Amino acid sequence: ETGVTQTPRHLVMGMTNKKSLKCEQHLGHNAMYWYKQSAKKPLELMFVYSLEERVENNSVPSRFSPECPNSSHLFLHLHTLQPEDSALYLCASSQDGRPGGELFFGSGTQLSVL
Amino acid sequence: AQSVTQPDIHITVSEGASLELRCNYSYGATPYLFWYVQSPGQGLQLLLKYFSGDTLVQGIKGFEAEFKRSQSSFNLRKPSVHWSDAAEYFCAVGLKTSYDKVIFGPGTSLSVIP
Repeated sequence: ETGVTQTPRHLVMGMTNKKSLKCEQHLGHNAMYWYKQSAKKPLELMFVYSLEERVENNSVPSRFSPECPNSSHLFLHLHTLQPEDSALYLCASSQDGRPGGELFFGSGTQLSVL
Repeated sequence: AQSVTQPDIHITVSEGASLELRCNYSYGATPYLFWYVQSPGQGLQLLLKYFSGDTLVQGIKGFEAEFKRSQSSFNLRKPSVHWSDAAEYFCAVGLKTSYDKVIFGPGTSLSVIP
């Protein structure tokens, strides 16, 4: 595996379900990010982890819970979601989290909440 | 507040024609500037970036962009478009915080007519 991989690629869940999105980066980077991409809206930065410490929580509802157990793995735990949470969730990483670094993106998880 | 605007939601060009995608930003200082491209079903890939120095930057796939401080613009150009360039293009600014905080514009969708 190379780059940034996200699983699953597609997820359909009911509003009462609990699920998790997984992201793994094979680049040796120290910073990881979750972005939300909704139709006709700019990418929204949700969370940033630098050296496994959360440094940004961009006013995201508590029904989204991130976890970064090590610098290679990032999870997004989902519970009690709403239909408006349906979107493409993108994971990204950067080398050291310093400003100006290139973001490397995974292909995303397309989430549908019924 | 920091923001990125891309005035053109959708652009259609003929193969072989020149291309210019517009981007304007609002930020108190000169930010780091990026262009990313997203093909259908994929994550974003960096085309080019500007940090300082020469205001004309070259990127991958024959793209270039010019930073104009007086206009707060960072327009993307390509002299001859190929059908494979059809994709979504995102302008982004990297804020000079203690970590990579990147704000994306809403994107411009490019269609290429054979």
